[in-house]
Amino acid sequence: DTEVTQTPKHLVMGMTNKKSLKCEQHMGHRAMYWYKQKAKKPPELMFVYSYEKLSINESVPSRFSPECPNSSLLNLHLHALQPEDSALYLCASNQGGTGNEQFFGPGTRLTVL
Amino acid sequence: AQKVTQAQTEISVVEKEDVTLDCVYETRDTTYYLFWYKQPPSGELVFLIRRNSFDEQNEISGRYSWNFQKSTSSFNFTITASQVVDSAVYFCALSEEGGGADGLTFGKGTHLIIQP
Repeated sequence: DTEVTQTPKHLVMGMTNKKSLKCEQHMGHRAMYWYKQKAKKPPELMFVYSYEKLSINESVPSRFSPECPNSSLLNLHLHALQPEDSALYLCASNQGGTGNEQFFGPGTRLTVL
Repeated sequence: AQKVTQAQTEISVVEKEDVTLDCVYETRDTTYYLFWYKQPPSGELVFLIRRNSFDEQNEISGRYSWNFQKSTSSFNFTITASQVVDSAVYFCALSEEGGGADGLTFGKGTHLIIQP
């Protein structure tokens, strides 16, 4: 299995909702990433998990809460989001360490009303 | 601080033409890694190539080729005999030697349009 899967593909939520994005990989990768991509912009790093521990948090607001239940799964819990949080959320994984290519999932397109 | 510049916002060519996408990077590290990714309209980022800072060999893979020049801090990407399926946004990205997993710093991307 050489892919990263993400669910759901699309999500529409109100500002008071709580929802979660899910990411899964079965490549034995030890690092997993969340990126946020606004339209016509490059992906921006949000969080990095290395060996199931949060190693990088790029000053992301607390309304985004990551979780890594095990080495294959990565969640992003969403609460009290704002309309400007509408974006494509991309998950990626790699072997860990430095310099290894990251493999991306298809993303979740989030719309906050 | 690391930075990646893709000065070409959009390029439009007719099918079968050759096209080069430019990438210029800035880093203080002597060890770093460069990547190219393709993002078709579906949204998924597809890995194309990785280069480390010690390997300046050019790479050719089918119609794709990459020219890495440390002297000019550039890592350019050429598509030969372009096809409509090559239409996508292409991102150049950089990661530095820092120990542990780290994220990618992306350029702003070049939107490539191949017209039939």
